[in-house]
Amino acid sequence: GQNIDQPTEMTATEGAIVQINCTYQTSGFNGLFWYQQHAGEAPTFLSYNVLDGLEEKGRFSSFLSRSKGYSYLLLKELQMKDSASYLCAVRDPGTYKYIFGTGTRLKVLA
Amino acid sequence: EAGVVQSPRYKIIEKKQPVAFWCNPISGHNTLYWYLQNLGQGPELLIRYENEEAVDDSQLPKDRFSAERLKGVDSTLKIQPAELGDSAVYLCASSRTGTGANEQFFGPGTRLTVL
Repeated sequence: GQNIDQPTEMTATEGAIVQINCTYQTSGFNGLFWYQQHAGEAPTFLSYNVLDGLEEKGRFSSFLSRSKGYSYLLLKELQMKDSASYLCAVRDPGTYKYIFGTGTRLKVLA
Repeated sequence: EAGVVQSPRYKIIEKKQPVAFWCNPISGHNTLYWYLQNLGQGPELLIRYENEEAVDDSQLPKDRFSAERLKGVDSTLKIQPAELGDSAVYLCASSRTGTGANEQFFGPGTRLTVL
């Protein structure tokens, strides 16, 4: 079966660091993606991991451990505009189908 | 570069009525996806096209939903007849084809309300 788990909601303070976890059990793996989605808007691409390790892109970093079926998105120096839902998605190697988690709603407080 | 365009942005219809959504992908993107997203949930794939071929429509409720991408560019998604449970946001996304295609670009979506 295909299953992706993320926390439903998280709260953090402006200027802080937050880590959003994602665990997955899928029949295949061809990359893990993180998307940001502000309320009422389309998801936008944040990061892509296909090999184990940390990918850093500005204030955002994403980590992958394929053996553990685990990823996290790390957001540093939080800003109010980072309040959004963060979607974890796994791509199937045979079909190139993206399987999305339910998303983690992050609230950044002043 | 223009993004993925969808129309309409909002649609309110009564149950049992038909409805259609239109998507224009990013130029040069051969792969097109239609997703359904319910409130508080992640997108769920309805259908994926490679050029004009529907390569994955296993999640499309074919009794009432249909889609086409006749010339391998624009696509339409139709529901006939609509049911109350079809109220959701319908997202279109596109990407380049191939193993190097790592990013999907999403359109703004069509928010459908069925009364």
